[in-house]
Amino acid sequence: DADVTQTPRNRITKTGKRIMLECSQTKGHDRMYWYRQDPGLGLRLIYYSFDVKDINKGEISDGYSVSRQAQAKFSLSLESAIPNQTALYFCATSDLSTGTEENTGELFFGEGSRLTVL
Amino acid sequence: DQQVKQNSPSLSVQEGRISILNCDYTNSMFDYFLWYKKYPAEGPTFLISISSIKDKNEDGRFTVFLNKSAKHLSLHIVPSQPGDSAVYFCAASADFNKFYFGSGTKLNVKP
Repeated sequence: DADVTQTPRNRITKTGKRIMLECSQTKGHDRMYWYRQDPGLGLRLIYYSFDVKDINKGEISDGYSVSRQAQAKFSLSLESAIPNQTALYFCATSDLSTGTEENTGELFFGEGSRLTVL
Repeated sequence: DQQVKQNSPSLSVQEGRISILNCDYTNSMFDYFLWYKKYPAEGPTFLISISSIKDKNEDGRFTVFLNKSAKHLSLHIVPSQPGDSAVYFCAASADFNKFYFGSGTKLNVKP
């Protein structure tokens, strides 16, 4: 089983609908992230959370909200989906707190959730 | 404006030759740099990293070079293998809290 699991893997929805993408992890990491990938733009950070009580906006948080239900669960919601939110969404985790020479800065990604908004 | 840029969307290399993937950044506060590899229908996976106290880091066939004065890093793959065909993302962080990614370079290694 994957260490970072995203559901659903694929979703087609209509403009104005509410959508939730869920992420769960078995790595025991405190830090969780949501990124979206668009062609030519790479991965852009939407929201991140360092623990259950800590939620932070990323580069492109407008139109999105998140919920950290537990250490292992971090969900992303689109309250009213619009076509330009069509993208590939990735959840990621890490266990870094402070950088050291030994820390690689590695993020562990899920397999992605492809969302299409018509 | 993107803080991390990969200006080559694609690269094609013959098997056995060297692949060189480039990445530029604008934020002088970045101290940690990583490369990720992504196959279709999978999430990115970590490949190699370097911190700003070094200018080179090697791991097998993969070497990352960092030129802080030029705000430039590169990933060398020697020798390239068909299984290396993937999209490669560079990423940078000032503090391990947020990571900024480039747009990716699609590498095709021809047999």
